[in-house]
Amino acid sequence: KNEVEQSPQNLTAQEGEFITINCSYSVGISALHWLQQHPGGGIVSLFMLSSGKKKHGRLIATINIQEKHSSLHITASHPRDSAVYICAAALTGNQFYFGTGTSLTVIP
Amino acid sequence: EAGVAQSPRYKIIEKRQSVAFWCNPISGHATLYWYQQILGQGPKLLIQFQNNGVVDDSQLPKDRFSAERLKGVDSTLKIQPAKLEDSAVYLCASSLGTGGPYQPQHFGDGTRLSIL
Repeated sequence: KNEVEQSPQNLTAQEGEFITINCSYSVGISALHWLQQHPGGGIVSLFMLSSGKKKHGRLIATINIQEKHSSLHITASHPRDSAVYICAAALTGNQFYFGTGTSLTVIP
Repeated sequence: EAGVAQSPRYKIIEKRQSVAFWCNPISGHATLYWYQQILGQGPKLLIQFQNNGVVDDSQLPKDRFSAERLKGVDSTLKIQPAKLEDSAVYLCASSLGTGGPYQPQHFGDGTRLSIL
């Protein structure tokens, strides 16, 4: 059983489409992180959320603590957004549970 | 600021051989993590250091994996002997202070290990 589940596993979108990636977790968390992993391995931290909503450019992340659910939205998607998006549940202390990632491909 | 540096980027070895990976974290970052990421899976923590002390190595296969961070700066991860199931990307990350749930982790580009 995975403590963090992401959906969908794979997503293909046309350039310009609005994209939503979902993350559900079963553990009590202190924070939820969204990460972006490009081909070749490098991982970049996008957001850290403990409540509500955060926005950075075309990316929006939301979290519902009661429902143990977070979403990552991409507005006006672009081929350079193609990457694997990973959510990670951060517990108190130093324990992180990572999802298996959502592979996004944006077609021009 | 310079990011987390890892080397080598790629390594191919035969099973039962040994291999070592090196990581230099962002300057001033006290906490350093080593993760194993098998294809199609999320990263799995192998070991976490705070300065030169081990915080968590509960998922490190200690019969074959070892890691050190002797001076509290750069770190090496070693596998000896390697098994086929060790084929993965090995990621190093660092964070400020003691780490924890509110600190973003900064990742290196990883070392892709292939075992033949």
